[in-house]
Amino acid sequence: QVQLVESGGGLVEPGGSLRLSCAASGFTFSDYYVSWFRQAPGKGLEWVSYISSSGSNIYYADSVKGRFTISRDNAKNSLYLQMNSLRAEDTAVYYCARGHTWFDPWGQGTLVTVSS
Amino acid sequence: AIQLTQSPSSLSASVGDRVTITCRASQGISSALAWYQQKPGKAPKVLIYDASILESGVPSRFSGSGSGTDFTLTISSLQPEDFATYYCQQFNTYPPYTFGQGTKLEIK
Repeated sequence: QVQLVESGGGLVEPGGSLRLSCAASGFTFSDYYVSWFRQAPGKGLEWVSYISSSGSNIYYADSVKGRFTISRDNAKNSLYLQMNSLRAEDTAVYYCARGHTWFDPWGQGTLVTVSS
Repeated sequence: AIQLTQSPSSLSASVGDRVTITCRASQGISSALAWYQQKPGKAPKVLIYDASILESGVPSRFSGSGSGTDFTLTISSLQPEDFATYYCQQFNTYPPYTFGQGTKLEIK
């Protein structure tokens, strides 16, 4: 079935880095735009970044621009999010999701905690 | 960025009730709106897209309507599994994609 599975979350100190991965299966990954979203504890949903099917178009939310980098490897059916200069306010569950209008499906999420 | 305002922010209802959630956009977004359901500890799941089109596999008790700036999600007869948080999301003007703040539907 169509599935996205995130990994790579964990505890990191402020100013540190982390790389998230999202493994896709059950569909032709290279045909689809994919996005990263996040949800801070007890809060709503926030779009973080998207990348086009070929990787040629990339956009970021202002809150992460210059610190986060999205990339993909279509040969490995994988999406990535390199997160640098992490701040306490980046603490959230991070989700990957397929699409570029509405989003379906979503992965189960991976928790990133930025704390000393 | 386009802002989406949902109302109410929380709602208590009983099984069998008819429930309506509203989403208002800060500017016109045509029909470029989706609704999601999120249960605690789970990922969001799309229910409706293009304001009124039911996603495959979603029960027909869910329906969406509206265009321009005002949208509604209606659940015709609440079932126990419908108690969750609901979000609207616009895709008329992006980036950024924006979401409403959420409506938490609780059991009365």
